[in-house]
Amino acid sequence: RKEVEQDPGPFNVPEGATVAFNCTYSNSASQSFFWYRQDCRKEPKLLMSVYSSGNEDGRFTAQLNRASQYISLLIRDSKLSDSATYLCVVNNNNDMRFGAGTRLTVKP
Amino acid sequence: NAGVTQTPKFQVLKTGQSMTLQCAQDMNHNSMYWYRQDPGMGLRLIYYSASEGTTDKGEVPNGYNVSRLNKREFSLRLESAAPSQTSVYFCASSEAKGLSLETQYFGPGTRLLVL
Repeated sequence: RKEVEQDPGPFNVPEGATVAFNCTYSNSASQSFFWYRQDCRKEPKLLMSVYSSGNEDGRFTAQLNRASQYISLLIRDSKLSDSATYLCVVNNNNDMRFGAGTRLTVKP
Repeated sequence: NAGVTQTPKFQVLKTGQSMTLQCAQDMNHNSMYWYRQDPGMGLRLIYYSASEGTTDKGEVPNGYNVSRLNKREFSLRLESAAPSQTSVYFCASSEAKGLSLETQYFGPGTRLLVL
């Protein structure tokens, strides 16, 4: 079993839709969590950290459920520019593990 | 301010050849990292350097060596390339000392094909 698992997608949604991704992790001792965004053939870029209380940044909301060991990313009012692969990252005592990513395509 | 730069962008090697991937950052960051990214696998940490003069193994260090030449530069060397090392290699840097994802900035990547 992979330490960090994501549905690879692709998720194809129309502009304006709300889309949610989940990511599960196997190590219950994991301490910090992040979502990164990666455009095709480009480098990953930090989208947002995920805090225990949940956090929001504009149209993006990240949540953490430690009991069930998953994190989620919600994107509201999808834009064409949101098309990318979203990477879930879990850190346990400086042992960082990346998910393989979920691909999102937002269509006009 | 170029951020994190990597050379070369693309490389084709034959099995057994050696090469060095170069990485430099101009943000005066303490920590630097090398990852590889393979389809369906996610990024995996090869080596990292928490500060100038120190290096530590990551998740997949076998077949690689690194050098933290100075604060700006962190190189990755393949002494005897194998087809299993075909991948996209990303260098990253962080202001933090040690492993800290929150402030990592990635370079554009090097695509390596080993025949």
